[in-house]
Amino acid sequence: DAGITQSPRHKVTETGTPVTLRCHQTENHRYMYWYRQDPGHGLRLIHYSYGVKDTDKGEVSDGYSVSRSKTEDFLLTLESATSSQTSVYFCAISALETDTQYFGPGTRLTVL
Amino acid sequence: AQSVTQLGSHVSVSEGALVLLRCNYSSSVPPYLFWYVQYPNQGLQLLLKYTSAATLVKGINGFEAEFKKSETSFHLTKPSAHMSDAAEYFCAVSKLNTGTASKLTFGTGTRLQVTL
Repeated sequence: DAGITQSPRHKVTETGTPVTLRCHQTENHRYMYWYRQDPGHGLRLIHYSYGVKDTDKGEVSDGYSVSRSKTEDFLLTLESATSSQTSVYFCAISALETDTQYFGPGTRLTVL
Repeated sequence: AQSVTQLGSHVSVSEGALVLLRCNYSSSVPPYLFWYVQYPNQGLQLLLKYTSAATLVKGINGFEAEFKKSETSFHLTKPSAHMSDAAEYFCAVSKLNTGTASKLTFGTGTRLQVTL
């Protein structure tokens, strides 16, 4: 299994509070991704990174920001959580542009 | 823009029966295609991928998929279902964006149920 961990694995928070999810890899892969998974939608890309301090938006980036200060860590921040951001969040990594993406175990976030 | 359609959100088969999960894609350039499996409360695991080599791709756990350009399809099959195959399956398509990450577009998933 690819060395990807996500923390926390479960979180319950209240509307309007800031939340940060962490993805940590031990593979030294260049590319990192954040997805959200919702019933009926599959997985949708939120943001991705193609190097330290290099990030870009995915298809559902509104309300989310990311940061990558080290190769191994990719942080996803919800500045002010809303109930519509209740979801399961997955981090993925890949070594090359065309390479397979490997997924972490996920974080289940509930916004009350 | 690229997209993926998975026909059938739920598929039920008997143990030992053929598994067929359908995936059709839309892409303006030659695609890379993937099938992932997700077991309950776990992340996604790669089953197989097509990257313009052989059109019949063999994956793990006895699964295979055939790329058919004329039908824009990449259906997943397994000759004989096992109880342990019960999971959710996702088809995904990507294209190369030179200089940046290759972004996956996922289908909405098919939940496979295997009955005795």
